[in-house]
Amino acid sequence: DTGVSQDPRHKITKRGQNVTFRCDPISEHNRLYWYRQTLGQGPEFLTYFQNEAQLEKSRLLSDRFSAERPKGSFSTLEIQRTEQGDSAMYLCASSSTSGRIYEQYFGPGTRLTVT
Amino acid sequence: KNQVEQSPQSLIILEGKNCTLQCNYTVSPFSNLRWYKQDTGRGPVSLTIMTFSENTKSNGRYTATLDADTKQSSLHITASQLSDSASYICVVGNAGNMLTFGGGTRLMVKP
Repeated sequence: DTGVSQDPRHKITKRGQNVTFRCDPISEHNRLYWYRQTLGQGPEFLTYFQNEAQLEKSRLLSDRFSAERPKGSFSTLEIQRTEQGDSAMYLCASSSTSGRIYEQYFGPGTRLTVT
Repeated sequence: KNQVEQSPQSLIILEGKNCTLQCNYTVSPFSNLRWYKQDTGRGPVSLTIMTFSENTKSNGRYTATLDADTKQSSLHITASQLSDSASYICVVGNAGNMLTFGGGTRLMVKP
């Protein structure tokens, strides 16, 4: 499968614990995006990377959130001291920067439940 | 503030019927408009992408229209099937290729 993959697909954690999610983009894509989606809403942008550089972060990305893409390939999103409000689907997408429109391809998401 | 509004929020139709979903946006500078289909518990999948110079684009039974003057788009689904049950999300990209997502229309197709 050459699409975007995310791991784990589901994560249940207790409030206050740290969690880390992984995203593997389509191999030739240099951009990688993280989004958060709550039930019944559209995805909200969190951050994106071009190669290993993190170029933009949303105000939604509080200091408990950190994302990395150390070698410009896979990325991790860590949430420290989780809160119940962090419960959501975390989506990863990737795109290339060739052409005028960068079509984003989404992974299946990681569903986080904070109890 | 960039915004994308969709209507209706939810819709129930019978299998075989047609339906039209609406999208209004205030995104500047506008570059492109996309419609995605999202099955429950899955990531969104692109249906169509249109630039400001395109008025309509089809993908099988899905036809999207764009009026860049009024900043409106629609997605028309013809001869609906049970597998069309999903959320349909209107997404607008700006010149920097950053996306603003609508809240989606949840479509249920009943037999």
